[in-house]
Amino acid sequence: NAGVTQTPKFRVLKTGQSMTLLCAQDMNHEYMYWYRQDPGMGLRLIHYSVGEGTTAKGEVPDGYNVSRLKKQNFLLGLESAAPSQTSVYFCASTYRIMNTEAFFGQGTRLTVV
Amino acid sequence: DQQVKQNSPSLSVQEGRISILNCDYTNSMFDYFLWYKKYPAEGPTFLISISSIKDKNEDGRFTVFLNKSAKHLSLHIVPSQPGDSAVYFCAASRADMRFGAGTRLTVKP
Repeated sequence: NAGVTQTPKFRVLKTGQSMTLLCAQDMNHEYMYWYRQDPGMGLRLIHYSVGEGTTAKGEVPDGYNVSRLKKQNFLLGLESAAPSQTSVYFCASTYRIMNTEAFFGQGTRLTVV
Repeated sequence: DQQVKQNSPSLSVQEGRISILNCDYTNSMFDYFLWYKKYPAEGPTFLISISSIKDKNEDGRFTVFLNKSAKHLSLHIVPSQPGDSAVYFCAASRADMRFGAGTRLTVKP
C-alpha cells in the first residue's frame, strides 16, 4: 500500500535550472497539494488541485507551476530555480477538500546553489 | 500572514507526565482542526482532529481541546512516552489546509 509517493527524494540544482517534482497517489483521492517546509515557517501551501485538469494557487505560488493531467499524479515545476526555493517539499492528498485528514509523501529535499 | 501559530518551538517533558502543545489561529472561518506528527526524514502523519462544533476529542492517550472564542486549540498527551518525541504540527482547514510552524516534543526516559 504505497499511499503518496514523491520523486526524487533529493536534488541539487544550479540557479536558473528547471526541474519537475512528481507526486503519485494510489488512493483515488480527488484533491492534491504541494507544500514547502522551511525552518520556523511550518508547511506553506504552494498550489493545490481539486481534480484532474484543475489547479489553484496557495499561499506561496510564485516561481512554481503545477499540472494535474491524471487524477493520480500532481507535478510541481520550477522553471528557473532560485536559492530561495531551497526547501523540503511535501505532496499530500485528501479524499475531500474539507474536514478530512491529509496523507503526505515522504518529502523531497531540494537545494538550489 | 500566518493564520495558524504555534508559539513554542520546543517542549521537553519527562516520560509518564503530560505533554501540552498549543496552537492559535486567526481566521474564524476555519471549521476543522488537525494535529500531525512528523519524524525526521518522513512526511507528516495524521494524529487527531476536531470539528468546530465540538470542544473536545479524545483518542487513547491523545486529546484535543478547542476554544473557539479564544481561537485556541491544544493537544494533550497522557502519559507521554519516548516514542512520542517528534515535531507536532497544528493545522486548520476551510477550503484548504494551513499549518503552524510546529513544536518539537522531546520525551525523556
